[in-house]
Amino acid sequence: QVHLVQSGAEVKKPGASVKVFCRASGYTFTSYPLHWVRQAPGQRLEWMGWIDVDSGDTKSSQKFQGRVTISRDTSASTAYMELNSLRSEDTAIYYCARLSYFDTSGWGKRAVLDIWGQGTMVIVSP
Amino acid sequence: DIQMTQSPPSLSASIGDTVTITCRASQSIDNYLSWYQHQPGKAPKLLIYAASDLHSAVPSRFSGSGFGTDFTLTIASLQPEDFATYFCQQTYSAPNTFGQGTRLDIK
Repeated sequence: QVHLVQSGAEVKKPGASVKVFCRASGYTFTSYPLHWVRQAPGQRLEWMGWIDVDSGDTKSSQKFQGRVTISRDTSASTAYMELNSLRSEDTAIYYCARLSYFDTSGWGKRAVLDIWGQGTMVIVSP
Repeated sequence: DIQMTQSPPSLSASIGDTVTITCRASQSIDNYLSWYQHQPGKAPKLLIYAASDLHSAVPSRFSGSGFGTDFTLTIASLQPEDFATYFCQQTYSAPNTFGQGTRLDIK
């Protein structure tokens, strides 16, 4: 079975950093990009960035550029998302999600986040 | 960025009911629209992609429709396990954006 298992909850002080891991199992880790998404309390999901797991290339949202680092360890089938200079607004649940390409009914392929991790709660509090 | 507006924000229904959730994009996204189910503390689950294609192992009581800017998710004959939050996501353009979610409760 395909799974993404994330690290446990974190409590951090403002200004600190947090590193969340996402461990994949049940599929070839390097065959699928991984995305990171977060949801702050009462807010909608927000895309943060992604990594081409095979090449290691990354791209992040402009909102987080300079503060987020996405990486992977292919030998451990694990991706990481590190967020620096934490502030209270970064309190959220952070998710990793696998990107797959699905054939559609007459529309070619579509990129879809088909497998998600269970989420990692990060609380930023003085 | 493309704004995705879901309605209603919350919905109460009974077992066996049929419910419809809508998602409207601020510009045309063709059919680059996915629907997900999310239960608290669990991983979100993909239900539908390309607006109307049912993901594997998803029960046929789930269906999606729409093209352009207006989309619907319909759940027929609600079952106990269907009470959850549902959200849409557009993958037409970066950054891919999400609706704010619809919470479906038991009446």
